[in-house]
Amino acid sequence: EPEVTQTPSHQVTQMGQEVILRCVPISNHLYFYWYRQILGQKVEFLVSFYNNEISEKSEIFDDQFSVERPDGSNFTLKIRSTKLEDSAMYFCASTPGLNYGYTFGSGTRLTVV
Amino acid sequence: GESVGLHLPTLSVQEGDNSIINCAYSNSASDYFIWYKQESGKGPQFIIDIRSNMDKRQGQRVTVLLNKTVKHLSLQIAATQPGDSAVYFCAENNNAGNMLTFGGGTRLMVKP
Repeated sequence: EPEVTQTPSHQVTQMGQEVILRCVPISNHLYFYWYRQILGQKVEFLVSFYNNEISEKSEIFDDQFSVERPDGSNFTLKIRSTKLEDSAMYFCASTPGLNYGYTFGSGTRLTVV
Repeated sequence: GESVGLHLPTLSVQEGDNSIINCAYSNSASDYFIWYKQESGKGPQFIIDIRSNMDKRQGQRVTVLLNKTVKHLSLQIAATQPGDSAVYFCAENNNAGNMLTFGGGTRLMVKP
């Protein structure tokens, strides 16, 4: 069964450093997303991406965040200057179209120290 | 300081019994709903979805019921197994398909 692949599975970084989280969505999917989940809390929407541009973003997705699809397979989330409160699980998801079941990756655990 | 984690309601059932997990959603304009299962340290795993033009949908051992009048969604799991133990989230699609809003989750514990 096709999977959404995320790397690394765990990233530890110092506060103020930049991190890039990587995702390979399912190959025939057109819509890509990032969500995050702070430990013990709900899954929260960050950003959606379609046709090489952001289509929706939440209040969490401020100027410190950016997304990119640098080639035909990768989808990345960059946090420019990490803060302690950015520590969370970050999930990438993709769908073939609107209103289809989203497929989530297994996540990257980001720990900011 | 450390943020307090979400206190999850817990449903404890005996193996072989049926489970019903409930969810109240927030937006009457939502037109697509999904149930996810999340095991510890893993991403949300799709279980079943339903569109707002339906009130019931069945899968393998699972049934989702949608009551739009009271904005309520339920997940029924038949013959619950130990492998069903996880946190279950409902999610609603409330912006033309571009974002999901997740509910708070319910922890299902299956006793052998």
